[in-house]
Amino acid sequence: DAMVIQNPRYQVTQFGKPVTLSCSQTLNHNVMYWYQQKSSQAPKLLFHYYDKDFNNEADTPDNFQSRRPNTSFCFLDIRSPGLGDAAMYLCATSSRRPGDEQFFGPGTRLTVL
Amino acid sequence: AQTVTQSQPEMSVQEAETVTLSCTYDTSESNYYLFWYKQPPSRQMILVIRQEAYKQQNATENRFSVNFQKAAKSFSLKISDSQLGDTAMYFCAFMKPNTGNQFYFGTGTSLTVIP
Repeated sequence: DAMVIQNPRYQVTQFGKPVTLSCSQTLNHNVMYWYQQKSSQAPKLLFHYYDKDFNNEADTPDNFQSRRPNTSFCFLDIRSPGLGDAAMYLCATSSRRPGDEQFFGPGTRLTVL
Repeated sequence: AQTVTQSQPEMSVQEAETVTLSCTYDTSESNYYLFWYKQPPSRQMILVIRQEAYKQQNATENRFSVNFQKAAKSFSLKISDSQLGDTAMYFCAFMKPNTGNQFYFGTGTSLTVIP
């Protein structure tokens, strides 16, 4: 089945130690998104790629970076995680067609010690 | 900017009963899309139902239906014959076309179906 895959599902890192989360998709979608979701809150969009074009949300901290080496893969890099960065990170994809739904991955739960 | 409001943080319903989750939004756009997503505990978010603003007919998907009132900017979700598997967080989302299909999410409603 076509899907959105996130690895790892659970990630533990230490305060200030860089961490990379990965997302891959078999849907061949043009658009990929990274969201941060804290407990019982709505997902907050960090950035998205429209093909290779990177779109950063105005309030996304510089601590968060992203790479999209090809259509299938997208990475979220947190350069110096703080305690406040502990959250669920969701990857989603969408086609280019206006109004199409977003398909979400299962998420990576990040714990910062 | 688009805002989406879900005024019911938590709701509960008896199994087999009907429940309605409310959502209002604010926009100056005439063409847009509205979605309801479901996020079960510790599971991934999945689409429940989708509505195109230019379509007057309310969308339905099996036990799920919406009441879309464009003038009132209201988009409520009705779940009929509630099942235990409907227990989840429900998010209403607004999408403006030609923005990379970017969502504006509401704050969510936590629904519990009681056996």
